[in-house]
Amino acid sequence: AQSVSQHNHHVILSEAASLELGCNYSYGGTVNLFWYVQYPGQHLQLLLKYFSGDPLVKGIKGFEAEFIKSKFSFNLRKPSVQWSDTAEYFCAVNTGNQFYFGTGTSLTVIP
Amino acid sequence: EAQVTQNPRYLITVTGKKLTVTCSQNMNHEYMSWYRQDPGLGLRQIYYSMNVEVTDKGDVPEGYKVSRKEKRNFPLILESPSPNQTSLYFCASSLRPGVPGELFFGEGSRLTVL
Repeated sequence: AQSVSQHNHHVILSEAASLELGCNYSYGGTVNLFWYVQYPGQHLQLLLKYFSGDPLVKGIKGFEAEFIKSKFSFNLRKPSVQWSDTAEYFCAVNTGNQFYFGTGTSLTVIP
Repeated sequence: EAQVTQNPRYLITVTGKKLTVTCSQNMNHEYMSWYRQDPGLGLRQIYYSMNVEVTDKGDVPEGYKVSRKEKRNFPLILESPSPNQTSLYFCASSLRPGVPGELFFGEGSRLTVL
C-alpha cells in the first residue's frame, strides 16, 4: 500500500511569515497528487492538484506546490501566511482507484 | 449547488446497535468513497465504489459494509458498532480517479459508540 508522510505535525507562524509543508509518498509509479485544507469544523476542500505537466502548480489563496519526482515529494508553499490560513492541511496521493492521505499538519497563524 | 450530503451529522449510539450513515451526491460522479478521520492518523479509506454495483475495500474495511444501488447514493453500514468505530466519517465523490480525480467531500458525520 501507498504511504504518505507529512513530517510537520504542528506549525506555528506569525502573519506574513513564509510557509513550507513537506509531503513525501512511497509509490514509484504514476500518481496524482493533492493538497487539501480543513478549516476548523469544516470538511476538506481542495487547495491544488497535480496530474502532469509543469511540476510547479498554483492553487487557491496564494498556495503553490512543487512536485519533485526524484524525491517523491510534493511540498506546499505560501510566501506570506494570513491568520485565516489557520487550518489543518492534508497531502493526498491517488494511485489507481485508491486515495491515501497523510496524517495532516496543523497550522496556527498568530496575528 | 454541487454537493455531497451526509446524514446524520452527529450520532451517539451504543455497542451493537446497527446504524447507517447516508451519503448522496448530485454531480453524477462515478466514484464514491468513505473515510474515517482519527487524531494522529489522518484520513483512512474504508470502502470505495467505481460505479453502481461495484465496490471494493479500502485500507480499513473491517466492521463496515457499503452498497451502491444507485449512482448518487453510497451508504455506510455499521452492522454491530463497537467503541473503536468512534470517529469522524467523511464521504467523498469524484468524477473518476485520474480524470480529473479530485475528491469532493461531504460535511462529515461524527459518530460516538458507547
